[in-house]
Amino acid sequence: GAVVSQHPSWVICKSGTSVKIECRSLDFQATTMFWYRQFPKQSLMLMATSNEGSKATYEQGVEKDKFLINHASLTLSTLTVTSAHPEDSSFYICSARDFGQTGRNTEAFFGQGTRLTVV
Amino acid sequence: KNQVEQSPQSLIILEGKNCTLQCNYTVSPFSNLRWYKQDTGRGPVSLTIMTFSENTKSNGRYTATLDADTKQSSLHITASQLSDSASYICVASSGGYNKLIFGAGTRLAVHP
Repeated sequence: GAVVSQHPSWVICKSGTSVKIECRSLDFQATTMFWYRQFPKQSLMLMATSNEGSKATYEQGVEKDKFLINHASLTLSTLTVTSAHPEDSSFYICSARDFGQTGRNTEAFFGQGTRLTVV
Repeated sequence: KNQVEQSPQSLIILEGKNCTLQCNYTVSPFSNLRWYKQDTGRGPVSLTIMTFSENTKSNGRYTATLDADTKQSSLHITASQLSDSASYICVASSGGYNKLIFGAGTRLAVHP
């Protein structure tokens, strides 16, 4: 089956620094990837839709200058949390869909998630 | 407003027992209904996907049902195992490929 790989699985950083999270589709080309944020005991909240070769589409209330998204290739999207603060501590998850294969195009594959702790 | 509501919020059962999780959705236009299993600290893993024309779909010990008229879905777990302890998330897909509406999940704990 399709695999979406996310790295790192956890990171601890100091307040004010930036952190980059990578999301890779391993066996298909993903023109679109999605970034979610999840707080403890809550559901996934869509932050932004990452489009290969163009600007990301951010959900209302998500600061695009705070959460930089780059989708430079068909298999890689990155989320950079800039000038991180403790309130940015959360579980970040990426997702991708394989629109290239009939029968699999409705499936959403999720990465393993990244636990960010800002101290 | 598109939304997905799940019940119960949490559930504890003994190993070997069955359980049923509920999901009500208000999504328009409706495309499909998904159930995911999310282990603590991990990303969600797909269990089933059903379109409006499908009433039931099984994946091993997991059986999902869908009533598109009442906009309700359920996930039945048979002969539970300790490894079934996780959050189960109901997700409704609206319109095109991009919009997934997530429920808050049901946290299931299976005890020996």
